[in-house]
Amino acid sequence: EDKVVQSPLSLVVHEGDTVTLNCSYEVTNFRSLLWYKQEKKAPTFLFMLTSSGIEKKSGRLSSILDKKELFSILNITATQTGDSAIYLCAVEETSGTYKYIFGTGTRLKVLA
Amino acid sequence: DVKVTQSSRYLVKRTGEKVFLECVQDMDHENMFWYRQDPGLGLRLIYFSYDVKMKEKGDIPEGYSVSREKKERFSLILESASTNQTSMYLCASSLRLGGHQPQHFGDGTRLSIL
Repeated sequence: EDKVVQSPLSLVVHEGDTVTLNCSYEVTNFRSLLWYKQEKKAPTFLFMLTSSGIEKKSGRLSSILDKKELFSILNITATQTGDSAIYLCAVEETSGTYKYIFGTGTRLKVLA
Repeated sequence: DVKVTQSSRYLVKRTGEKVFLECVQDMDHENMFWYRQDPGLGLRLIYFSYDVKMKEKGDIPEGYSVSREKKERFSLILESASTNQTSMYLCASSLRLGGHQPQHFGDGTRLSIL
């Protein structure tokens, strides 16, 4: 059965810390891996990764994919209280039809 | 910007009622999805649709049905609501299948079944 596992489940850090969130997957027909940030409302798209070893970067956030070891990491440097959210990892798979398999998410809390 | 609108942010219904959750997107996206989100379980796919009048079961379709009569609108129907369907429901859309396109989500409907 296809699955996506995120770790840690939750994390509490102080402003200015650097955090690394993990996403591992076992998906037969992998197409892409996506990261989302969910505050109180809709998950918002952060990154889509399709190729191994190519870092995607947006401000203090960056992400990379390892298709050999089947995982991705999301890094946040110099964390701010506004980074507090649930971070979701999803894998797009293509067994006949295309759909997205989500992990349970990592809940990040950044303390002032 | 893509806008995915869910008709209600909060909804309270009674056991046995037929419940309709509505979702509208304004970007001519082909694909639409319904998920439920529960603590510790993440997002689980209920149904999705890749074209008008087309639908595919997701991982947990039991107790639900869907309707897509127009491209922009995707409705989730709880035929006879039960307390175990109390959850956050998220609608999403994406441009087209297989096009390396991210999903865009609505704000969610928090549904309570009493």
